[in-house]
Amino acid sequence: RKEVEQDPGPFNVPEGATVAFNCTYSNSASQSFFWYRQDCRKEPKLLMSVYSSGNEDGRFTAQLNRASQYISLLIRDSKLSDSATYLCAGGYSSASKIIFGSGTRLSIRP
Amino acid sequence: NAGVTQTPKFQVLKTGQSMTLQCAQDMNHNSMYWYRQDPGMGLRLIYYSASEGTTDKGEVPNGYNVSRLNKREFSLRLESAAPSQTSVYFCATNLVGATNEKLFFGSGTQLSVL
Repeated sequence: RKEVEQDPGPFNVPEGATVAFNCTYSNSASQSFFWYRQDCRKEPKLLMSVYSSGNEDGRFTAQLNRASQYISLLIRDSKLSDSATYLCAGGYSSASKIIFGSGTRLSIRP
Repeated sequence: NAGVTQTPKFQVLKTGQSMTLQCAQDMNHNSMYWYRQDPGMGLRLIYYSASEGTTDKGEVPNGYNVSRLNKREFSLRLESAAPSQTSVYFCATNLVGATNEKLFFGSGTQLSVL
């Protein structure tokens, strides 16, 4: 079982919809959490770090639930340009060891 | 300022051949990583190095060796390549403990083992 697990999707939603992804982690010692976006097998790029209090960046909101050991990403008013693979990641061992989930594919249709 | 530089970008090997993937960073980051990515598998951690001179196994270390000789460089070696090692390999760096901590990735190496 992977230490970080995601629903692989694909999620296919219309433009303007709200879509949410969850990601579960098994190592309770995980200290840091991230959401990355990856386009067409290019290198992943950081979308958001995830903080205990939750954080928002424009249309994107990330939440952390330590009790249930999951993180979530909410995308509001989705755009065609949001089509990508979204990877969650958790860091531990003083945050040096960073493990990724298998990614969730999102496709936004016009 | 190049960031994270991986070489080569593409490589084709025959089964049993050896090769070294090179990664260099100019960001003065303490931690460096090697991941592999296969279709539907996300990124899987092969090895990581929390600091110069230290290395640790990740999720899928078998068949690989690494070397962190200095702060800038972290190499990944395949001693005897196997078709199962056909993948896209990404090197990454991180300044662990920084307030804006995040992984910076190289552009990847596409490796095919025939």
